[in-house]
Amino acid sequence: DGGITQSPKYLFRKEGQNVTLSCEQNLNHDAMYWYRQDPGQGLRLIYYSQIVNDFQKGDIAEGYSVSREKKESFPLTVTSAQKNPTAFYLCASSPRDRNEQYFGPGTRLTVT
Amino acid sequence: QKEVEQNSGPLSVPEGAIASLNCTYSDRGSQSFFWYRQYSGKSPELIMFIYSNGDKEDGRFTAQLNKASQYVSLLIRDSQPSDSATYLCAVTPEGEYGNKLVFGAGTILRVKS
Repeated sequence: DGGITQSPKYLFRKEGQNVTLSCEQNLNHDAMYWYRQDPGQGLRLIYYSQIVNDFQKGDIAEGYSVSREKKESFPLTVTSAQKNPTAFYLCASSPRDRNEQYFGPGTRLTVT
Repeated sequence: QKEVEQNSGPLSVPEGAIASLNCTYSDRGSQSFFWYRQYSGKSPELIMFIYSNGDKEDGRFTAQLNKASQYVSLLIRDSQPSDSATYLCAVTPEGEYGNKLVFGAGTILRVKS
């Protein structure tokens, strides 16, 4: 089955720890994205990547880092510098030259 | 700052009625418009998208664009309780690098049986 997988579904961390969220897709999509969603708010773009080994900051990149070493994978690291990391994190991908984005199931991160 | 605005709702409609959801956007150059459905606790699911060249109908769903007034609508005919969800509108901003989307905060739809 083709799709986007994110793991884990729920993640709990202590303040001050870095944590890496996984995102994998087997749709052969070129572009991948990371969003954050807080209760009652829309999606905010953290980072995106159009091709392997290239990525761009989104609107709220501070405190986050990414890598794109493989077309299928786009992991997101939430660093201890992110002041309010507790949120629902969504990964998405889109085909080349298309704008529609398809989302993975998301990871709920709770930092205490 | 390019913005997409949606009434947060909730919009309540009886089962079988037409639900009308609206979204306004600030970027006059936007060319692509998307509607996502998000059930509580789940990720967004793409249900419709249209380009600036016209409206689109897919089953019970119709997406309409009014470029002059800069708003896009989603009509859901014969609404069902299973349509109860948050509907997110997204727009492609003109001139941005890559296939970025700008999302509205969503409208909560409740279909009462």
